[in-house]
Amino acid sequence: ELKVEQNPLFLSMQEGKNYTIYCNYSTTSDRLYWYRQDPGKSLESLFVLLSNGAVKQEGRLMASLDTKARLSTLHITAAVHDLSATYFCAVAPYSGGGADGLTFGKGTHLIIQP
Amino acid sequence: EAGVVQSPRYKIIEKKQPVAFWCNPISGHNTLYWYLQNLGQGPELLIRYENEEAVDDSQLPKDRFSAERLKGVDSTLKIQPAELGDSAVYLCASSLGLAGGSEQFFGPGTRLTVL
Repeated sequence: ELKVEQNPLFLSMQEGKNYTIYCNYSTTSDRLYWYRQDPGKSLESLFVLLSNGAVKQEGRLMASLDTKARLSTLHITAAVHDLSATYFCAVAPYSGGGADGLTFGKGTHLIIQP
Repeated sequence: EAGVVQSPRYKIIEKKQPVAFWCNPISGHNTLYWYLQNLGQGPELLIRYENEEAVDDSQLPKDRFSAERLKGVDSTLKIQPAELGDSAVYLCASSLGLAGGSEQFFGPGTRLTVL
């Protein structure tokens, strides 16, 4: 059974600081996704990571994937208040093909204070 | 391009009543998913469709939940009868499949409250 663990689950940080959210998963996979969810809203796709060593960046967010360690990180650089949200990582089981359903972590609730 | 459309956005019912949710995926997306999201948790897959075929319904509680996607486009998720524990947000997502990196796009969700 695929399990996805995120840490930390809650994070309060100051604007301008850097921080990293970690996502570990339990079984082989080569497809990992990061989503953002604002309160009362749906999930917004941030990054799609499809191979070992994949690194993607968008603004102050950078995501990476290490399939051998079964680990993905979401790094926040010089945080700003607008990045306050809940961030989910999600993993698709390795099936060699197909658009399988995702297994999500519990989410990291991020609060960025001025 | 329109995103995934869901209705209703909110639904309040009494326990033991039936309820149905509707989803229209992004045009051209053959794969459709229903997820359930409890408060403070990540979404959990209920069912996945490839066109009109349910290819993964292993997590769908079949005693009270049913779903259909008759023409391979719109989908309906039904609960009958609803229980208090069914209160949650029901999310629909769609995907191009492997052609799009299997990226899933989510609708706004239906927030169900069972009293």
